[in-house]
Amino acid sequence: DADVTQTPRNRITKTGKRIMLECSQTKGHDRMYWYRQDPGLGLRLIYYSFDVKDINKGEISDGYSVSRQAQAKFSLSLESAIPNQTALYFCATSDLNFEGTDEQFFGPGTRLTVL
Amino acid sequence: RKEVEQDPGPFNVPEGATVAFNCTYSNSASQSFFWYRQDCRKEPKLLMSVYSSGNEDGRFTAQLNRASQYISLLIRDSKLSDSATYLCVVTGRRNTGFQKLVFGTGTRLLVSP
Repeated sequence: DADVTQTPRNRITKTGKRIMLECSQTKGHDRMYWYRQDPGLGLRLIYYSFDVKDINKGEISDGYSVSRQAQAKFSLSLESAIPNQTALYFCATSDLNFEGTDEQFFGPGTRLTVL
Repeated sequence: RKEVEQDPGPFNVPEGATVAFNCTYSNSASQSFFWYRQDCRKEPKLLMSVYSSGNEDGRFTAQLNRASQYISLLIRDSKLSDSATYLCVVTGRRNTGFQKLVFGTGTRLLVSP
């Protein structure tokens, strides 16, 4: 079984709809992240969390919210989806390795299309 | 200027060829460097970390040049299965707690028979 799973894998929705993307992990990592990937752009960080009670904005958090319900779960919500939120969304987890750096492990991605 | 810059390619090479990619970064305080591999429509996966002394993993060799702020990835004896996009990734200072990963847009490699 995959260590980091995302649901749904694909979603088509309409402008103005509320959408939730879910991420679960079995790696036991404390740190979780949400990224989006757009053609011609690198992955960009939306939100991250180091703990169940810890939520931090990334570089492009406007229009998104997150919830860290448990160590293993981190969900991303689009309260009112708009077409420029069409993208590939990745969840990732990490834990500090022996060098003190974060090695991140990604889920399979959710392809979201907002019409 | 982008924080991490890569040639998007594609690099088209025959099987067995040696190919090298470079990546430049703008933050001189960056401490950690990685190459990730991403197959089409799939998640990025760590290929290798890049250490100051350089490191090798089989057919793959990564080098870091701090003075010129670039990292490189060399692939020897290319295989068809090496066809993918290679993402250059850097982080901030090790002692600031959270080290945000900054991703390049990737270099696409196509290995042909």
